[in-house]
Amino acid sequence: GIQVEQSPPDLILQEGANSTLRCNFSDSVNNLQWFHQNPWGQLINLFYIPSGTKQNGRLSATTVATERYSLLYISSSQTTDSGVYFCAVEFLGSSNTGKLIFGQGTTLQVKP
Amino acid sequence: DSGVTQTPKHLITATGQRVTLRCSPRSGDLSVYWYQQSLDQGLQFLIQYYNGEERAKGNILERFSAQQFPDLHSELNLSSLELGDSALYFCASSVSVQQGRDTQYFGPGTRLTVL
Repeated sequence: GIQVEQSPPDLILQEGANSTLRCNFSDSVNNLQWFHQNPWGQLINLFYIPSGTKQNGRLSATTVATERYSLLYISSSQTTDSGVYFCAVEFLGSSNTGKLIFGQGTTLQVKP
Repeated sequence: DSGVTQTPKHLITATGQRVTLRCSPRSGDLSVYWYQQSLDQGLQFLIQYYNGEERAKGNILERFSAQQFPDLHSELNLSSLELGDSALYFCASSVSVQQGRDTQYFGPGTRLTVL
């Protein structure tokens, strides 16, 4: 069935370290977004990236649509990066409804 | 700030009751989505409206209903509440849905607790 899988499920880093989060998806996509859910529960848009590479400060993302995966890179991590990172996709067969399917998330803890 | 507003932020109610969650999309956005985040189910799509019309349904219970008004704000109605309905309910909006390729911006959520 249609799946979005994220790895690792949990990640603990020391401040200043780099990390890579992965999102695998089971079918072709119209839309792929990365979100950060902060400790207060707010979902913050990081990237809209159905294909290609984007960078925003210390964060960057790459989606290889033909191989059905996306990567989120966090460099020089800070304690404020802590929270849950979600990958969400709209699959090609969803009749252009915009319905996002979320992965289970990667919980990141950055220690000072 | 995403530009999507949701009220109330917190809601505590009892089983069997009915509540209404409200969402105002970003200015200019025609499409509104509702999602539920619970501990056991994760983040799940509930329903979507585009310019006042229902466009897609997900795992939405029959006890739940929604609508989008002419001013484009949306309401999610939850009735006959059960303990398991306790969750964080998000509203999101996007400019359009015609190509299914617009960024969805999420509101701050409404945290519902059913006692």
